[in-house]
Amino acid sequence: RKEVEQDPGPFNVPEGATVAFNCTYSNSASQSFFWYRQDCRKEPKLLMSVYSSGNEDGRFTAQLNRASQYISLLIRDSKLSDSATYLCVVNNVSNFGNEKLTFGTGTRLTIIP
Amino acid sequence: EPEVTQTPSHQVTQMGQEVILRCVPISNHLYFYWYRQILGQKVEFLVSFYNNEISEKSEIFDDQFSVERPDGSNFTLKIRSTKLEDSAMYFCASSEDWTPSYEQYFGPGTRLTVT
Repeated sequence: RKEVEQDPGPFNVPEGATVAFNCTYSNSASQSFFWYRQDCRKEPKLLMSVYSSGNEDGRFTAQLNRASQYISLLIRDSKLSDSATYLCVVNNVSNFGNEKLTFGTGTRLTIIP
Repeated sequence: EPEVTQTPSHQVTQMGQEVILRCVPISNHLYFYWYRQILGQKVEFLVSFYNNEISEKSEIFDDQFSVERPDGSNFTLKIRSTKLEDSAMYFCASSEDWTPSYEQYFGPGTRLTVT
């Protein structure tokens, strides 16, 4: 099983629609979780952290289900500028107590005018 | 807003040559990282660096790779003898601390092409 698994898409949705992405992770000891956004040929940028209680930032809502090892991202009222690849990222602590980010392959989203 | 910078933006080299990729992390950050992304694939962790030593490395980071902080500002990744499969985008990142609440900030990347 992949460490972090995402549906690669692509998702092509009309402007204004709601879109949801899902992600699963294999390491039950994973400690923190994030959604990053990556535009074509650019660096990943943190979109939001994901907490067990769920968290919202404007049009974006993230959820974490530790029991199912499942993370989700919901984008409401999508805009053309939301077109990007969305990366599910898990922060694991190694046996040496060091952290490393493990990335999913990303889900590509295109918002259609 | 402070940012991580990387040079060069694009490096073309011949197989077997040595390359050095340079990064300037955000000035008050203490933890530094290198990641790579082969075209069309996921971002992969290479190495983390703290207090002038490697704190963690992946299986990708073999003896051909090394990192250094030669002065107070630069953080470099050296590939001693490049292979075709080293062609990728290399991202440097830095964070203020290592705990999960501290964001890793990524630089714009260096595209390495090995011919």
